[in-house]
Amino acid sequence: EAQVTQNPRYLITVTGKKLTVTCSQNMNHEYMSWYRQDPGLGLRQIYYSMNVEVTDKGDVPEGYKVSRKEKRNFPLILESPSPNQTSLYFCASSYTGTSGSYEQYFGPGTRLTVT
Amino acid sequence: QKEVEQNSGPLSVPEGAIASLNCTYSDRVSQSFFWYRQYSGKSPELIMSIYSNGDKEDGRFTAQLNKASQYVSLLIRDSQPSDSATYLCAVTVLRGGKLIFGQGTELSVKP
Repeated sequence: EAQVTQNPRYLITVTGKKLTVTCSQNMNHEYMSWYRQDPGLGLRQIYYSMNVEVTDKGDVPEGYKVSRKEKRNFPLILESPSPNQTSLYFCASSYTGTSGSYEQYFGPGTRLTVT
Repeated sequence: QKEVEQNSGPLSVPEGAIASLNCTYSDRVSQSFFWYRQYSGKSPELIMSIYSNGDKEDGRFTAQLNKASQYVSLLIRDSQPSDSATYLCAVTVLRGGKLIFGQGTELSVKP
């Protein structure tokens, strides 16, 4: 089954304790991205990756790191989480459609709470 | 001005009616346009994509794009209670690099 998976799905942690949220896709997509979703602010892009070893900042990259060492995996790293990073996080991946554009498919989400 | 704007709603329509969802965007070089449906607590699900001016139909859904007016819409015919969700408009500028979402329009279909 074609899918984007994220782990963990739920995480409660404390300020300053490093954490990693994993994202994996089995569709051989070149493009992967991370978003956060907050009430009243909608979905905002954190980082994206056009291919292995190619990453770039989205709209809200502060406090986050990413790496893309393999095509299928795109982990999101919070080196020192803070309460303002409490949010719902989505990973997405995409292929190139017939018009040369990207249709992104989302993972199930990770609900993170930082206390 | 927000880059992608949608009416937040809620938009309420009776079952069987046509629901009309609207979206405007600010960047004239925007290339690709998408509609996602998101149920509460779930991930966004792609329902329509449109890249050129005009209409695109898929079942009960029709997307309409007018690049001159920087406007994209989604029509849902014969609305069903199961269509009740938040609908997100998304626009890309660079080739897949940046996808910008609107705030979403909450749709409620009343039986």
